[in-house]
Amino acid sequence: GAVVSQHPSRVICKSGTSVKIECRSLDFQATTMFWYRQFPKQSLMLMATSNEGSKATYEQGVEKDKFLINHASLTLSTLTVTSAHPEDSSFYICSARPPGSSGYTFGSGTRLTVV
Amino acid sequence: AQTVTQSQPEMSVQEAETVTLSCTYDTSESDYYLFWYKQPPSRQMILVIRQEAYKQQNATENRFSVNFQKAAKSFSLKISDSQLGDAAMYFCAYRSVRGSTLGRLYFGRGTQLTVWP
Repeated sequence: GAVVSQHPSRVICKSGTSVKIECRSLDFQATTMFWYRQFPKQSLMLMATSNEGSKATYEQGVEKDKFLINHASLTLSTLTVTSAHPEDSSFYICSARPPGSSGYTFGSGTRLTVV
Repeated sequence: AQTVTQSQPEMSVQEAETVTLSCTYDTSESDYYLFWYKQPPSRQMILVIRQEAYKQQNATENRFSVNFQKAAKSFSLKISDSQLGDAAMYFCAYRSVRGSTLGRLYFGRGTQLTVWP
């Protein structure tokens, strides 16, 4: 089946530094990738939608300059958390819809801890 | 925007028994998709079952089935012969098929299912 590979699975970084999270569609081309944030025991909150070759669309309340999204190819989308702070600590998940499928495939998620 | 409501934050079931998780949604669209996703402790999102709104027949996947009531905007998930591995957070999700919200998923708040041996 279709696979979205997400790395890293866990990352700890110091306040003020930047962290990049990668999502790759391994066996299909993803023109659109969705990025979610999930707090413990809560639902997934859509942060932004990345589109290959164009600017990402951010949800209301999400800081574009803090959460930089790049979708440079049909198989790779990245989320960079810039100048990270402890409140950015969370679980981040990406997903994409394989062509011809009505459902979405999710990455395995990245647990970000900012100390 | 579409809203998805899961009114049961937690549910529990005895192994081998049947449990039903509730989901309602609000939309003005006539065509859409509905999904149930499972998120075990590993936090990997796993598709359990999907339903196309234009299909009247309820979807079934092995021990998982849905009761789709389009007029009532209800989409419940029934798990038969529950197994310990079914323990997880279950999310109901809605997907538009057209318009400005094309493609995005709207999630409910989730139902944490515990399975007792």
